[in-house]
Amino acid sequence: GENVEQHPSTLSVQEGDSAVIKCTYSDSASNYFPWYKQELGKRPQLIIDIRSNVGEKKDQRIAVTLNKTAKHFSLHITETQPEDSAVYFCAASRASNYQLIWGAGTKLIIKP
Amino acid sequence: NAGVTQTPKFQVLKTGQSMTLQCAQDMNHEYMSWYRQDPGMGLRLIHYSVGAGITDQGEVPNGYNVSRSTTEDFPLRLLSAAPSQTSVYFCASVPAGSYEQYFGPGTRLTVT
Repeated sequence: GENVEQHPSTLSVQEGDSAVIKCTYSDSASNYFPWYKQELGKRPQLIIDIRSNVGEKKDQRIAVTLNKTAKHFSLHITETQPEDSAVYFCAASRASNYQLIWGAGTKLIIKP
Repeated sequence: NAGVTQTPKFQVLKTGQSMTLQCAQDMNHEYMSWYRQDPGMGLRLIHYSVGAGITDQGEVPNGYNVSRSTTEDFPLRLLSAAPSQTSVYFCASVPAGSYEQYFGPGTRLTVT
């Protein structure tokens, strides 16, 4: 079955700098890759997702890149702000079955 | 719309007790699922349903049962609670034609 690995487990960046979180997956049939943000005590919320037919997707300060050959995808956050502090999760699935397999999460700390 | 609702918010059980976690959605979503989230880990899929009357196992189904008699409700039953089932449980649903999972607020379960 699918296995998703996520790095780093903790990332501390200066406010205004960029943050990059990386994930690798094992199932070559996976074709849907979402990123979720979870604040302490809250539910996960989708921030961006990408299908395998594109290599990059951007939404304001957030972008996701996908390398299907290497089976890895990354989340890029530019001009980080204090409200970006949270735990970020990547996930992968075959879009046909909605069964998300999640990474272990990255705690992003934005230093003032 | 109330979205995805879960009850209770918190629950403490003794080992061996049984209980049902409730999940409901009023968005007419066909796909629903249950996840558990343990500290330092991503969400893990317990059971899912692609429509009323249809359920299937996810990654970690042991110790849990589900049923889906209506589109709206997807209860999760713990048959004989064990300390290893201490976790936060999230229910999610997906609208037709989309891949975004809408999460409920979660149920924090402690088994002593």
